[in-house]
Amino acid sequence: SQQGEEDPQALSIQEGENATMNCSYKTSINNLQWYRQNSGRGLVHLILIRSNEREKHSGRLRVTLDTSKKSSSLLITASRAADTASYFCAIVGSNYQLIWGAGTKLIIKP
Amino acid sequence: ETGVTQSPTHLIKTRGQQVTLRCSSQSGHNTVSWYQQALGQGPQFIFQYYREEENGRGNFPPRFSGLQFPNYSSELNVNALELDDSALYLCASSSKGSSYEQYFGPGTRLTVT
Repeated sequence: SQQGEEDPQALSIQEGENATMNCSYKTSINNLQWYRQNSGRGLVHLILIRSNEREKHSGRLRVTLDTSKKSSSLLITASRAADTASYFCAIVGSNYQLIWGAGTKLIIKP
Repeated sequence: ETGVTQSPTHLIKTRGQQVTLRCSSQSGHNTVSWYQQALGQGPQFIFQYYREEENGRGNFPPRFSGLQFPNYSSELNVNALELDDSALYLCASSSKGSSYEQYFGPGTRLTVT
């Protein structure tokens, strides 16, 4: 079963706009990670936020974490065509396995 | 590029056959995890290997098995293939003892007909 649930399932925006994706989970966590996947290929790690952190930035990415609501959000600012991809959140289960949501498919229109 | 490689890139097999997928981990990483990703879904954890031993397993039947070699490369074997085994198979390497990010290979697309 998948512990993470991304919302929305799909998002289509104009280039230059900001994109926000949300993730909810069910268990307590040590950290939460966001990944990007292009065209059904390998996943690329974007950012990790620990349970004692509330916000983290990396370039045009901003991730927030609310452990009381068991939710996280990923904001991509000033989107580019190259940001078109599927975005997944993942939490770490036992033995450091990653447990994934179904992802948000982001389309950036030129 | 993560330094994790997988082979083959694509594979077509017939129901009932057996398949072996291969993964070379990133230098310095001693842990390999395997995931199955069906179309339109998130990855599902199959199992993890640490220092040549299985270190955790997801909800997959015993016909999914694996190996890790002394150089930390790994194989995923699937026996008695079923149509539902058609998926993208991803391996990821990481360093044991941390919950840091995993580094993924490009995947092997398996089609079972």
